Amino acid sequence: GQNIDQPTEMTATEGAIVQINCTYQTSGFNGLFWYQQHAGEAPTFLSYNVLDGLEEKGRFSSFLSRSKGYSYLLLKELQMKDSASYLCAVRDLREYGGATNKLIFGTGTLLAVQP
Amino acid sequence: DAGVTQSPTHLIKTRGQHVTLRCSPISGHKSVSWYQQVLGQGPQFIFQYYEKEERGRGNFPDRFSARQFPNYSSELNVNALLLGDSALYLCASSVGGAGAETQYFGPGTRLLVL
Repeated sequence: GQNIDQPTEMTATEGAIVQINCTYQTSGFNGLFWYQQHAGEAPTFLSYNVLDGLEEKGRFSSFLSRSKGYSYLLLKELQMKDSASYLCAVRDLREYGGATNKLIFGTGTLLAVQP
Repeated sequence: DAGVTQSPTHLIKTRGQHVTLRCSPISGHKSVSWYQQVLGQGPQFIFQYYEKEERGRGNFPDRFSARQFPNYSSELNVNALLLGDSALYLCASSVGGAGAETQYFGPGTRLLVL
């Protein structure tokens, strides 16, 4: 089966750096995605990792270690508008023989950025 | 360019009724996936369609069905609504139907079952 774990809530200060961790257990890992979701809105794509290492995109970076089943999303120079839920999602090739791009989501980490 | 569009944005139904939700993918995208998101949870996969064929189905009862049209738009149908069907229903589109392609989500349809 699959299992994805993220912290439920985090709080950080404007201008600071925050790291949101995600651990996963899947039988056929084929990529990890991070999405941002503001309350009442649709998830917005942030980053994608399929190989080990760090992917940097502006203020956002995402890291993956496949051997450890671990990823993190790093947010720098936090702004108030970064207050949102951050969803970790994995694609499992064992689902339907790889014929789909079904995503398996964690429950999300609700980040509150304070002044 | 227009993103993924969904209609309606909000819907209120009563138990036992039927509902149809609609989704139009990003132009050029041939795959549509449907997800259900209950408050406080991550999205749960319901269906994926690619080139009008079902590619995958999540752990949902047969009351849930979907289809994809020649223009790649899609409908999600839910029969015999239950209170537990109250959720945000998200549609996501991608260029193809497989591979670790990025899925882009629409604004969702918020369904309330009374």
